[in-house]
Amino acid sequence: GQQLNQSPQSMFIQEGEDVSMNCTSSSIFNTWLWYKQDPGEGPVLLIALYKAGELTSNGRLTAQFGITRKDSFLNISASIPSDVGIYFCAGQLRDDKIIFGKGTRLHILP
Amino acid sequence: KAGVTQTPRYLIKTRGQQVTLSCSPISGHRSVSWYQQTPGQGLQFLFEYFSETQRNKGNFPGRFSGRQFSNSRSEMNVSTLELGDSALYLCASSPYRQVPSYEQYFGPGTRLTVT
Repeated sequence: GQQLNQSPQSMFIQEGEDVSMNCTSSSIFNTWLWYKQDPGEGPVLLIALYKAGELTSNGRLTAQFGITRKDSFLNISASIPSDVGIYFCAGQLRDDKIIFGKGTRLHILP
Repeated sequence: KAGVTQTPRYLIKTRGQQVTLSCSPISGHRSVSWYQQTPGQGLQFLFEYFSETQRNKGNFPGRFSGRQFSNSRSEMNVSTLELGDSALYLCASSPYRQVPSYEQYFGPGTRLTVT
């Protein structure tokens, strides 16, 4: 079946550093979504991408829809403590189903 | 605008029992999707409802079922519970205007523990 490979699985960074994570697949997607999940909460939508090549920002977050439509990345600039959490990518397939990556757990060292 | 609400937040059931979870979408949202989240498998799509009809279905056994009411509220039911059904069950709603919107807004989830 279709799979999304999200990497890295976890990251340990210093406050103020930039962060980059990505999702790849052998399948083609019509939409890419990036979510953040805090403990005990549901995922919160960060950025939605609808066109190949699209680059979208939301504050310190920037995400891009890959040209091949098989990948996407999320960058976080100048990380702060509240960025800690699990980040998920999700892709919408041609049959409208949405599949999620396994998540990237972000840790910020004091 | 109130967010997606799910009830109950926590539930403990015994193997073989059945359970019903409830989801109220954001006002005006007509699409409701359900997901199962476990540490090992991550977020897995269960099904999606729009206008009281199941629009899409994931790869789960028939023990998992759902429905949507005319006010867009949705319920999911799991019959003959198994230990492996222990998970966080998340509901997400979407505006679904003329052009389908895949911007889904999640509720806090129902944590189901099967003993």
